Amino acid sequence: DAKTTQPPSMDCAEGRAANLPCNHSTISGNEYVYWYRQIHSQGPQYIIHGLKNNETNEMASLIITEDRKSSTLILPHATLRDTAVYYCIVRVYNTDKLIFGTGTRLQVFP
Amino acid sequence: DTAVSQTPKYLVTQMGNDKSIKCEQNLGHDTMYWYKQDSKKFLKIMFSYNNKELIINETVPNRFSPKSPDKAHLNLHINSLELGDSAVYFCASTPQQAPYEQYFGPGTRLTVT
Repeated sequence: DAKTTQPPSMDCAEGRAANLPCNHSTISGNEYVYWYRQIHSQGPQYIIHGLKNNETNEMASLIITEDRKSSTLILPHATLRDTAVYYCIVRVYNTDKLIFGTGTRLQVFP
Repeated sequence: DTAVSQTPKYLVTQMGNDKSIKCEQNLGHDTMYWYKQDSKKFLKIMFSYNNKELIINETVPNRFSPKSPDKAHLNLHINSLELGDSAVYFCASTPQQAPYEQYFGPGTRLTVT
């Protein structure tokens, strides 16, 4: 079973920041937080991952609380093409499994 | 230059038939996977192979048999297809170094009638 809980859906205006929350209250010390997204029916796409420090790349930023029980994915300037289902996954760093939950369906509107 | 490719993209077949889905990755990764996404959009791992060896088998019916002729290919053969096998099947691969992100193929939509 997935170890994360996410809101089923969110809306965001184009050009605004999209903040997607994730709860992972049972995360273990050696588990990382990964984010993927699935646009329409395409294959999932890796976005970002982190352990305890905040992370940023060209796609997004990841903010992890100090107790590591929750995190937020931030898309700083959402575009229509960011409309997708976003999955938050906790995973031991180099293990194989990705256990997908139900994700958050982000709708970006004009 | 597609990283992870799958064929066919769509597959419509009747119950009881046997079919195969092919997957190829040109990323040089050692580990490949098959995932199934059902009609409710739940995405679940089925198999994982590392350098042609089975690593994960997630209690998938033995009608499903993955085959890895080399580390760039992982094919999925399904015997005696059932209505419940209708789904989108995704192949993926991952490198052996951080951040171990998985690269997914475009998916194969299987419809069993």
